[in-house]
Amino acid sequence: DAKTTQPPSMDCAEGRAANLPCNHSTISGNEYVYWYRQIHSQGPQYIIHGLKNNETNEMASLIITEDRKSSTLILPHATLRDTAVYYCIVRVTSSGGSYIPTFGRGTSLIVHP
Amino acid sequence: EAQVTQNPRYLITVTGKKLTVTCSQNMNHEYMSWYRQDPGLGLRQIYYSMNVEVTDKGDVPEGYKVSRKEKRNFPLILESPSPNQTSLYFCASSLERNRDKGKLFFGSGTQLSVL
Repeated sequence: DAKTTQPPSMDCAEGRAANLPCNHSTISGNEYVYWYRQIHSQGPQYIIHGLKNNETNEMASLIITEDRKSSTLILPHATLRDTAVYYCIVRVTSSGGSYIPTFGRGTSLIVHP
Repeated sequence: EAQVTQNPRYLITVTGKKLTVTCSQNMNHEYMSWYRQDPGLGLRQIYYSMNVEVTDKGDVPEGYKVSRKEKRNFPLILESPSPNQTSLYFCASSLERNRDKGKLFFGSGTQLSVL
């Protein structure tokens, strides 16, 4: 599986957009980019995923560069409740085997008033 | 409500006393897995299961057992717990079909302390 690199921490003002980067320069053609977040010690929560095209859902937007070597998760209007650790993961989903073996350390996002 | 249910939420035990952490999902998911989370180490996969009676080792399987006799249940068994298994444990599940693989649903966690 391709490895990902994320900044260990970021902060953002409430109401502003939070842009969380992820580098996955070794990603291969059939690997998807997934984003999860974990609030305190709760179970991680799926946010969004994509392969090539940008994606948007009710929680966030995912922007994947054309070469697919990096991506950005965008929380358009961050709230205090978005304070969490955000994980970027790449994983092939077209074959058998474990889907997501390991979550790295992620980015700790702090949204301040 | 679609969910993954783990029990217990907290567990304190002593070295060598067998224990089981239960995990159940009501979404008819084929795939289930167990993770442990330790400070500074992220979430590491212990075991996973692609379907009933199909299980495989993850990154850190030593000291753990699992079984998948029914689709909805995937218990984690510690036959002889040791203090280094003190950790926060999560169960997760997802659908098998391609576009949903990797979209994991997690339980709320089990904090285990082995004295």
